[in-house]
Amino acid sequence: QKEVEQNSGPLSVPEGAIASLNCTYSDRGSQSFFWYRQYSGKSPELIMFIYSNGDKEDGRFTAQLNKASQYVSLLIRDSQPSDSATYLCAVRETGANSKLTFGKGITLSVRP
Amino acid sequence: DGGITQSPKYLFRKEGQNVTLSCEQNLNHDAMYWYRQDPGQGLRLIYYSQIVNDFQKGDIAEGYSVSREKKESFPLTVTSAQKNPTAFYLCASSIVPSGRDEQFFGPGTRLTVL
Repeated sequence: QKEVEQNSGPLSVPEGAIASLNCTYSDRGSQSFFWYRQYSGKSPELIMFIYSNGDKEDGRFTAQLNKASQYVSLLIRDSQPSDSATYLCAVRETGANSKLTFGKGITLSVRP
Repeated sequence: DGGITQSPKYLFRKEGQNVTLSCEQNLNHDAMYWYRQDPGQGLRLIYYSQIVNDFQKGDIAEGYSVSREKKESFPLTVTSAQKNPTAFYLCASSIVPSGRDEQFFGPGTRLTVL
């Protein structure tokens, strides 16, 4: 069973701080990695994807991928109260199909 | 507007009843998916379809059925065989991957068994 693990939460940070969200995965051959944000009662919204080792930046968000260590992380700089949500890590399985395996998510709370 | 629509937003089912959840997309995506989300849990895949008239079971297909007669539509039926159907159901779509793809979600249907 391929697994995606997210560090236990909830995570609370003050406004303006950097929030660091981590995710590890078991399938060494995985190629595609995604971060979704889900507000309470709403559906997930894709905020970042990364395919290559290293960092990928988009505004206040940075995704970091380390395939050798099998982890992917999401950094949120200058955290805002509007960033308070559950963040889901998803990993696409190796092979021809397009199935994603999701972690259970981590809830982030940004304190004003 | 391009997007994914799901209906109804809320659905109540009596014991022993089959219900069908609708999912429609106008993104011209080839692949469509159904997920189930329980409180405090991630998403679990029920069924997926990469092409019209073809679909595959996901990790928790028992008690569910689907059809894919049109590219735009992928309805999910929750049958009476599904013993614990109360959950948030999410439909997603993506372009058939060439090694990389992103899945986009509809707004979801919240199903409650009375």
